[in-house]
Amino acid sequence: SQQGEEDPQALSIQEGENATMNCSYKTSINNLQWYRQNSGRGLVHLILIRSNEREKHSGRLRVTLDTSKKSSSLLITASRAADTASYFCARDQGGSEKLVFGKGTKLTVNP
Amino acid sequence: GAVVSQHPSWVICKSGTSVKIECRSLDFQATTMFWYRQFPKQSLMLMATSNEGSKATYEQGVEKDKFLINHASLTLSTLTVTSAHPEDSSFYICSAPGDGGGNQPQHFGDGTRLSIL
Repeated sequence: SQQGEEDPQALSIQEGENATMNCSYKTSINNLQWYRQNSGRGLVHLILIRSNEREKHSGRLRVTLDTSKKSSSLLITASRAADTASYFCARDQGGSEKLVFGKGTKLTVNP
Repeated sequence: GAVVSQHPSWVICKSGTSVKIECRSLDFQATTMFWYRQFPKQSLMLMATSNEGSKATYEQGVEKDKFLINHASLTLSTLTVTSAHPEDSSFYICSAPGDGGGNQPQHFGDGTRLSIL
């Protein structure tokens, strides 16, 4: 399968804790993106990191990219119950605008 | 910001019915849109690329006669599930790349939950 792998598949933490999700992929990329999906809804874009970037921040989100290991991580700091959702990484496919999504991590933040 | 509107959000219909799902870019033009299918607790699988003014490009294993795509204008793509059967029940989501060419985030509709009885 061309889908990337994400781990963990599910993560349950308490409010205030940090959540780290990892994503691995198999082919070279131009960029990698992270999306969030609330249950039964569409996806919301979080961060795009380009292949020549190593780290990117947006508010409580921090994304790292290691192209030598073909992996990326998403860190959510000081988590809130409202962060409960599924998180997906997505890589571009062959330089096109197509995206290949990872299997996702279901994050539950308990109040 | 860029918004993609998808309609309807929920459809329940009898087996054999054809169902049309619309995907509109509300404040930007989209020459390309993407259609995905998502099974419960699984990831998104790309079904096809919708191209304004030309035929859609289908991913391997997706029946083009079953899933008809029409990109009628720069702001509207439609997916018609023809003669739907229970195995077509799923969550269908569309997306459109933002303006500015490559390396842009995609904007997603809110999805359509299709249930075939």
